[in-house]
Amino acid sequence: KAGVTQTPRYLIKTRGQQVTLSCSPISGHRSVSWYQQTPGQGLQFLFEYFSETQRNKGNFPGRFSGRQFSNSRSEMNVSTLELGDSALYLCASTPGDQETQYFGPGTRLLVL
Amino acid sequence: EDQVTQSPEALRLQEGESSSLNCSYTVSGLRGLFWYRQDPGKGPEFLFTLYSAGEEKEKERLKATLTKKESFLHITAPKPEDSATYLCAVRNTGFQKLVFGTGTRLLVSP
Repeated sequence: KAGVTQTPRYLIKTRGQQVTLSCSPISGHRSVSWYQQTPGQGLQFLFEYFSETQRNKGNFPGRFSGRQFSNSRSEMNVSTLELGDSALYLCASTPGDQETQYFGPGTRLLVL
Repeated sequence: EDQVTQSPEALRLQEGESSSLNCSYTVSGLRGLFWYRQDPGKGPEFLFTLYSAGEEKEKERLKATLTKKESFLHITAPKPEDSATYLCAVRNTGFQKLVFGTGTRLLVSP
């Protein structure tokens, strides 16, 4: 089975711009979670989607949003980018009836 | 609030020198404890899931154990390719999100 895929792998943006990141889960996985990883804060939970519905949300401002499509693919959007949004954004997928999350390679976002 | 603390922050071993990494946790109701390995610039790679105190799982040179307050990742006779950051995470009974520790950076020298 193919793993979780994320696109793009690298992105450079400037402050004030917006960005959209994409995640394709493992085939058959219906839950997709997003995390932000930075050297200072480690891995922080952003949100989780299951069957096109947001089930959980972390403590991030409203500039961070996401959605899930009927094929379980997910996108996250960050509007009005700030320097502090520079991070590795990780997507993880989970089979509907299991606990383990499987991570993709991440999208490295640099905000200048 | 759920919390995970990992120690040590960094560990340097000689090839063949066995050791253990610690993960202490507090969680309102444990749904699962997870160990991941992360190489620089890559996403975390799943290693183990533990569900209840007393449970143990093994994979090659790695063995994970779980008590009611902590988990250990034992590394037996490590090799340089075991060098990575090892992450511990918990999930409580209520939510799907994982709460991660800050990781242990392991360096194994030949």
